[in-house]
Amino acid sequence: AQSVTQLDSHVSVSEGTPVLLRCNYSSSYSPSLFWYVQHPNKGLQLLLKYTSAATLVKGINGFEAEFKKSETSFHLTKPSAHMSDAAEYFCVVTDDKIIFGKGTRLHILP
Amino acid sequence: GAGVSQSPRYKVTKRGQDVALRCDPISGHVSLYWYRQALGQGPEFLTYFNYEAQQDKSGLPNDRFSAERPEGSISTLTIQRTEQRDSAMYRCASSLTSGGRSYNEQFFGPGTRLTVL
Repeated sequence: AQSVTQLDSHVSVSEGTPVLLRCNYSSSYSPSLFWYVQHPNKGLQLLLKYTSAATLVKGINGFEAEFKKSETSFHLTKPSAHMSDAAEYFCVVTDDKIIFGKGTRLHILP
Repeated sequence: GAGVSQSPRYKVTKRGQDVALRCDPISGHVSLYWYRQALGQGPEFLTYFNYEAQQDKSGLPNDRFSAERPEGSISTLTIQRTEQRDSAMYRCASSLTSGGRSYNEQFFGPGTRLTVL
């Protein structure tokens, strides 16, 4: 059975410092993995996706994620946080089903 | 171009009433998905269509929930005899190509917030 776990429900970082949002998954097959972002009162937007090509995936707004099969992880990172990054982030695993994580709310401190 | 639209944006209904939630996907998108999102949770998959065919309805919680997409474009999610536990944000998404083992980027609508009193 597939599942996805976002290890932190809330993450706070100072503006200009690195961001790390953690995601672990389990899957019986070779999954596709996604990160979506949800800004307040807006719909979800795709940040990036992994579909068995390069293990380091670059997305929009300076975000990237690395697929590590040995660790069953797909953590989202950004070198330098911006105030506009404050939002909720969802890790998604798909093979047989589409499973969203519970989300990580990212707070940016001035 | 226009994105995915959903109507109504907000719906308040009394327990026992039926509700119909509408999704208008991006023109030309093959696949359409329905999700339910409770407060503080991620979206929970309900069902999806390729064109007019319902491919997977395993996420529908019970037989009070149904969905259709008769002409392969607009879709309606219907909840009969609503209960308070049905209160949630209902989200629709569409994707250009058909869903399968490797799902494609989904474009989400703003959602319909359903409140059952």
